[in-house]
Amino acid sequence: AQTVTQSQPEMSVQEAETVTLSCTYDTSESDYYLFWYKQPPSRQMILVIRQEAYKQQNATENRFSVNFQKAAKSFSLKISDSQLGDAAMYFCAYRSLTGGTSYGKLTFGQGTILTVHP
Amino acid sequence: DAGVIQSPRHEVTEMGQEVTLRCKPISGHNSLFWYRQTMMRGLELLIYFNNNVPIDDSGMPEDRFSAKMPNASFSTLKIQPSEPRDSAVYFCASKPGFSGANVLTFGAGSRLTVL
Repeated sequence: AQTVTQSQPEMSVQEAETVTLSCTYDTSESDYYLFWYKQPPSRQMILVIRQEAYKQQNATENRFSVNFQKAAKSFSLKISDSQLGDAAMYFCAYRSLTGGTSYGKLTFGQGTILTVHP
Repeated sequence: DAGVIQSPRHEVTEMGQEVTLRCKPISGHNSLFWYRQTMMRGLELLIYFNNNVPIDDSGMPEDRFSAKMPNASFSTLKIQPSEPRDSAVYFCASKPGFSGANVLTFGAGSRLTVL
């Protein structure tokens, strides 16, 4: 079974600075998807960014980018020019693409609480 | 599109009572997932459906939990009888098609408190 580990329970950053959230995962599969979701206090889960494992190029969405290291099974999220609205819990998630009952399942890490200081 | 709609948003009940959580997925989405979120265990997948058929219910904690999807636009998660340790936020999520690339869209969650 796949596992996702976020080793930073909490992180903080000053407004306008850059912060990196860590995520590692364990899998024997070669093809899969990785995601970062944001959960603000409203508790709505919002997709931030996704990465396809077969693509070497790191995904980017405006101020959000990832550093995907497939061999190391690492998938970190970098938030540039942090804004107060970025304060939330961030979840890393893995989606299996193998057949059977595992297909399409999202496995989440434990989450990292990000605080943004003005 | 109204997104994934869950009800109730909040439920407070007493131990032993039956609880029913409801979900309306996004129209056209044929995969539906139920997740539970707690401080101790994080986000756990309980069960998911493809085309209204349960594919994997290995995450359902006990026989007290059951889920149904009678049609493409409605699903329920039932707990009977409820216990205090069932207190959590329950999320429903849906996605279109069977492609692994498709994005999962979450509802706002139902916060359950069992006294």
